[in-house]
Amino acid sequence: DTGVSQNPRHKITKRGQNVTFRCDPISEHNRLYWYRQTLGQGPEFLTYFQNEAQLEKSRLLSDRFSAERPKGSFSTLEIQRTEQGDSAMYLCASGPRDGKNIQYFGAGTRLSVL
Amino acid sequence: AQTVTQSQPEMSVQEAETVTLSCTYDTSESDYYLFWYKQPPSRQMILVIRQEAYKQQNATENRFSVNFQKAAKSFSLKISDSQLGDAAMYFCAYRIMYRDDKIIFGKGTRLHILP
Repeated sequence: DTGVSQNPRHKITKRGQNVTFRCDPISEHNRLYWYRQTLGQGPEFLTYFQNEAQLEKSRLLSDRFSAERPKGSFSTLEIQRTEQGDSAMYLCASGPRDGKNIQYFGAGTRLSVL
Repeated sequence: AQTVTQSQPEMSVQEAETVTLSCTYDTSESDYYLFWYKQPPSRQMILVIRQEAYKQQNATENRFSVNFQKAAKSFSLKISDSQLGDAAMYFCAYRIMYRDDKIIFGKGTRLHILP
């Protein structure tokens, strides 16, 4: 399977703990995106990388959130001091720079903060 | 600010029938893309169909077609010959061309297929 891979698929944590999610994009894609999807809503943009450079961050991304993409390959999204409001599905997408501007999504990491 | 509105939270259609999902959007941009994404239960979101705003011809992909009305800022999805595998959440989405790379999604329409 050469699609976008996200790990873990599910994460349950206690309020105040730190969590980290990983996204492995499709190998030749230089663009990588993180979105958050809460129940009953469409995905909301969090941040975007082109290669290793983080080019845009949503104001949804508070200072407890940090995303990295070292070497322009996989990406991690860390949430520090989790809150119950952080419970959501975190989606990663990747896209090639081919002018078609299509984003390919992973299956997501579902976070539950107790 | 750009917004995408899907006014139908849920819809049902009989297998083999045709169904149309509605979407409107608001933007001051002239160049943009519109998408319909499908999200099956517990599975990843996949692109169903894509439309460039500068193209007047409506996009089609097999049983899926759109009715793009740029002046009305309307972008509906028609699914013909509905199949059980079409049951999913459908999201209408928008992206500015040439600039932002983020996609803005609507809240989705859950489509049920009745056997």
